[in-house]
Amino acid sequence: SQTIHQWPATLVQPVGSPLSLECTVEGTSNPNLYWYRQAAGRGLQLLFYSVGIGQISSEVPQNLSASRPQDRQFILSSKKLLLSDSGFYLCAWSHSDTDTEAFFGQGTRLTVV
Amino acid sequence: GNSVTQMEGPVTLSEEAFLTINCTYTATGYPSLFWYVQYPGEGLQLLLKATKADDKGSNKGFEATYRKETTSFHLEKGSVQVSDSAVYFCALISGAGSYQLTFGKGTKLSVIP
Repeated sequence: SQTIHQWPATLVQPVGSPLSLECTVEGTSNPNLYWYRQAAGRGLQLLFYSVGIGQISSEVPQNLSASRPQDRQFILSSKKLLLSDSGFYLCAWSHSDTDTEAFFGQGTRLTVV
Repeated sequence: GNSVTQMEGPVTLSEEAFLTINCTYTATGYPSLFWYVQYPGEGLQLLLKATKADDKGSNKGFEATYRKETTSFHLEKGSVQVSDSAVYFCALISGAGSYQLTFGKGTKLSVIP
C-alpha cells in the first residue's frame, strides 16, 4: 500500500531563518506531488506541484521554493522566513493518470516568531 | 478556470441533527468531485467521491450526489455525532490532463452534545 511521510510535525523558527520541509511517498512510482498551505481560518492554497523529477510549477509568487530531487521526494524550502509564512503546510500525492483523489500527509505546523 | 464554492462556516449543530454543507463548482469538461475531512491537528482524508453525473458517494453515513444540471455536490448526513466535528472541504479535479485539485475554502463543523 502507498504511504506518505511528512516531517517535522511542528516547527518554530525565527524570522530570517531558513526552512526545509520534507515529504516522501512510498509504494507508488511517478506520482504527482503537491505542497499546500493552510493559513489560520482560511482554506487550502496550492503552493507548488510537480509531475516529475526536477519539474516544479509554482502557483503563487512568494518567499518559498520547492524541489523534487528524487521521484518520491518533495522538499519545501525558504532561505529567509517571514512572519507571514506561518501556517499549516500539507504535502500530498496523486496518481499521474489524473481523475483520482490526492492523499495527504499529516501536515507541518510552522510558526515563525 | 476551475473553482469550488462551499457554504461559509462555522456550522454548529446538536448531536443527531441533520447536516447539509452546500458545494457548487465551475469546471471545464466533466470533473471528478470529492469531499475531504480534516480533524483537528491532522491532514486531510478523503471522505467520499463521485466521478460522473448522478453518482452518489457515501462513507461513514455521509452522502453526496454529483448533480451536473445544478453543478453541485452537497454533503449530507442524517444524524451527526460529536466525533464528526471537523473541517470539511469540497474539491474537484477536471478531466484528463489536469494535475491539481481545486479546493473550496472549507466549512468548520462543530457538533455539541
